[in-house]
Amino acid sequence: KNQVEQSPQSLIILEGKNCTLQCNYTVSPFSNLRWYKQDTGRGPVSLTIMTFSENTKSNGRYTATLDADTKQSSLHITASQLSDSASYICVVTMLSGTYKYIFGTGTRLKVLA
Amino acid sequence: EPEVTQTPSHQVTQMGQEVILRCVPISNHLYFYWYRQILGQKVEFLVSFYNNEISEKSEIFDDQFSVERPDGSNFTLKIRSTKLEDSAMYFCASSEGTGEYGYTFGSGTRLTVV
Repeated sequence: KNQVEQSPQSLIILEGKNCTLQCNYTVSPFSNLRWYKQDTGRGPVSLTIMTFSENTKSNGRYTATLDADTKQSSLHITASQLSDSASYICVVTMLSGTYKYIFGTGTRLKVLA
Repeated sequence: EPEVTQTPSHQVTQMGQEVILRCVPISNHLYFYWYRQILGQKVEFLVSFYNNEISEKSEIFDDQFSVERPDGSNFTLKIRSTKLEDSAMYFCASSEGTGEYGYTFGSGTRLTVV
């Protein structure tokens, strides 16, 4: 079954600290993997996209990694800010006739002052 | 930066009533989508639309749901007879293409069925 699992479910950190969010997927055939940030009550906003051949992609303080062999990805947030408080969603694009987004369950991050 | 616009932001309706959720995708995008997110759960695919017809739909998208692109700019989702379990955040998204092209999501419409 095509699934995307994320951990932890929620995370609380202090401002300025780093954190890493995990994503494991069983989606096949794989096209690409995206990390989205979703603020409460808003639509998801894309942070990074990685294809099969890419191991790392950075966007400011966000760095995503992908290990296509183990089907794992991580999102590392450096020097967290209060505005990083949001849900972070791992989305895998599957190619099965048409492209289809498979959404993860998300990690809810809370950054405290 | 171009945005996907959704209206209304919040709608409350009585069970059994019809609702229409409206979306204005980004003007040069060709692919349109509706997703929903029940409170506390993950985002779920409803339907994709291309070239004025549905290209794919999920099991959730039953006969109570329909989509339409009535003119060159709007993309609507209609729920004919709402049920309590239709209460969710509904997101519209659009993209230039498929595969490597990312989706741009709107801010969503929170639908509450009472």
